[in-house]
Amino acid sequence: AQRVTQPEKLLSVFKGAPVELKCNYSYSGSPELFWYVQYSRQRLQLLLRHISRESIKGFTADLNKGETSFHLKKPFAQEEDSAMYYCALSDIYNQGGKLIFGQGTELSVKP
Amino acid sequence: KAGVTQTPRYLIKTRGQQVTLSCSPISGHRSVSWYQQTPGQGLQFLFEYFSETQRNKGNFPGRFSGRQFSNSRSEMNVSTLELGDSALYLCASRFLREVFYEQYFGPGTRLTVT
Repeated sequence: AQRVTQPEKLLSVFKGAPVELKCNYSYSGSPELFWYVQYSRQRLQLLLRHISRESIKGFTADLNKGETSFHLKKPFAQEEDSAMYYCALSDIYNQGGKLIFGQGTELSVKP
Repeated sequence: KAGVTQTPRYLIKTRGQQVTLSCSPISGHRSVSWYQQTPGQGLQFLFEYFSETQRNKGNFPGRFSGRQFSNSRSEMNVSTLELGDSALYLCASRFLREVFYEQYFGPGTRLTVT
């Protein structure tokens, strides 16, 4: 079954602390992994994608095919990072327009 | 470029009625996907249209349908509304010629069924 699991509904950290948002997936095809973010009163937007190996706003994510994980990390959290984060996957060859989302993790960064 | 636009932004309907939501993609984007977002089920894929043809379909009943026009604008229709159809409906567009396709989301249409 195709599934994305984000085990934490809420993650609360203090400013300057490291952050790790967990994402595990189950997919039998050729998945492409993404992290989307939704800031308060803004639309859902792409944060980063595995295939481009970028670091956006200090966030990185490494695809671990053995553990089928794609955890999002940032060494020093900032208050402006507070948002809803969604891990998502898509089949790069067959179903690129279909994103399968996790349930999301709300990140709260306290001053 | 103007972003993805969705109309209307808010809608209140009664059980049994039908509703049509509209999505205008970013200029040049020919693929439009639709998603339903609810507190219980999260974000779920409804369908994708490209060049007026449905490419993918999610696991939703036949009451949910969509179409795409030659200018890439898309509509989705829900017939015989149920209370459980209350949700935020998001559409997203993408430019298929990009190597790293990115879906750009609209602000959503908030549908309330009473």
